[in-house]
Amino acid sequence: SAVISQKPSRDICQRGTSLTIQCQVDSQVTMMFWYRQQPGQSLTLIATANQGSEATYESGFVIDKFPISRPNLTFSTLTVSNMSPEDSSIYLCSVEEGRGTEAFFGQGTRLTVV
Amino acid sequence: AQSVTQPDIHITVSEGASLELRCNYSYGATPYLFWYVQSPGQGLQLLLKYFSGDTLVQGIKGFEAEFKRSQSSFNLRKPSVHWSDAAEYFCAVAAGDSSYKLIFGSGTRLLVRP
Repeated sequence: SAVISQKPSRDICQRGTSLTIQCQVDSQVTMMFWYRQQPGQSLTLIATANQGSEATYESGFVIDKFPISRPNLTFSTLTVSNMSPEDSSIYLCSVEEGRGTEAFFGQGTRLTVV
Repeated sequence: AQSVTQPDIHITVSEGASLELRCNYSYGATPYLFWYVQSPGQGLQLLLKYFSGDTLVQGIKGFEAEFKRSQSSFNLRKPSVHWSDAAEYFCAVAAGDSSYKLIFGSGTRLLVRP
């Protein structure tokens, strides 16, 4: 099974700043996704990170706010830009090896914006 | 649009008692269904999944789930709950024809009485 490392595991940031979260997988994977889990809420998909091309964003999420990179098949970053307290959430990286297989999740990054 | 409903926000059971967590989905085609568990401060761990075939699926930690197409349900069960099962449980459906994005239910928090 894929092992996912997310960094940082948690951070406290000032409003108006940006934070970049890294997701490293120990094997090449086809699909990588970024989810947000707001306090006491379920997980919501932010975007699909596409290798070598622009990410595909879900409704309600835009590239200017959540720029994503995926330079290769094992690594992706999510940036939370111009943060506000409403961005305080857990952000999780997820990977799939193809339809019909298990989705693996990182431990998440707990972000608090003050 | 695809959706997942978990009607119970909280459930409390006594240790050793049986457990059933409800999940209903809305999806036009044959769904790929999952149950994940999230312990405090932890990432998501897959308990079990249904893709096709036998509608009764066995998972880890003694959990099982039954896919009932006529009821659009995928309820999670365990015959005897352990105190360590206290956690948040999420039902999810894989959406999309060409990707493997997960749509999560709102979650059910399980509390276990000693």
